[in-house]
Amino acid sequence: DAKTTQPNSMESNEEEPVHLPCNHSTISGTDYIHWYRQLPSQGPEYVIHGLTSNVNNRMASLAIAEDRKSSTLILHRATLRDAAVYYCIPRGGGSNYKLTFGKGTLLTVNP
Amino acid sequence: EPEVTQTPSHQVTQMGQEVILRCVPISNHLYFYWYRQILGQKVEFLVSFYNNEISEKSEIFDDQFSVERPDGSNFTLKIRSTKLEDSAMYFCASWGQGKVDYTFGSGTRLTVV
Repeated sequence: DAKTTQPNSMESNEEEPVHLPCNHSTISGTDYIHWYRQLPSQGPEYVIHGLTSNVNNRMASLAIAEDRKSSTLILHRATLRDAAVYYCIPRGGGSNYKLTFGKGTLLTVNP
Repeated sequence: EPEVTQTPSHQVTQMGQEVILRCVPISNHLYFYWYRQILGQKVEFLVSFYNNEISEKSEIFDDQFSVERPDGSNFTLKIRSTKLEDSAMYFCASWGQGKVDYTFGSGTRLTVV
């Protein structure tokens, strides 16, 4: 499994953009980059994923470096509900590949 | 939106007792998983299950653990003789054909005393 490095914690103010970085320098060429988040007392929740191109969905955007050794999850306007631990997880494209969670980044959103 | 349902939400058991944690995956999903999270630690993979058999398991998933899909809807994790160190949140997840993401349940908090 590719090793990932994320900041332990980050802080943001409500309504402001948040950029959550992740380094995954040992990622293999076929691994997708998945982001999950875990709200307090909840199970992990899918946020977004990508392979090479930047991706957008209703929750967030994912910017992937050209060499794929890092990526950034972008929350365009943080809300209090976005306070969670965010995990960046390189994962193979096969259907049965397990998710290997790191420690993630604890995002605090201030009102 | 379809959900993965786990019961009970909290279970307290005596050391040495057997426990069964229950999950109802999303109905058309085919791949099922158990993960656990000890308080303050990472989410750890335990086991994956497909086509009525285990497809992968971690070192944590020793002989004390077993999984079963007893009918078309439930997916269970059994711990035969619980230890204090089994105290954790246990998450069930499922994945469906054509989907890119897993859906996790809200977890069962297991406390072994």
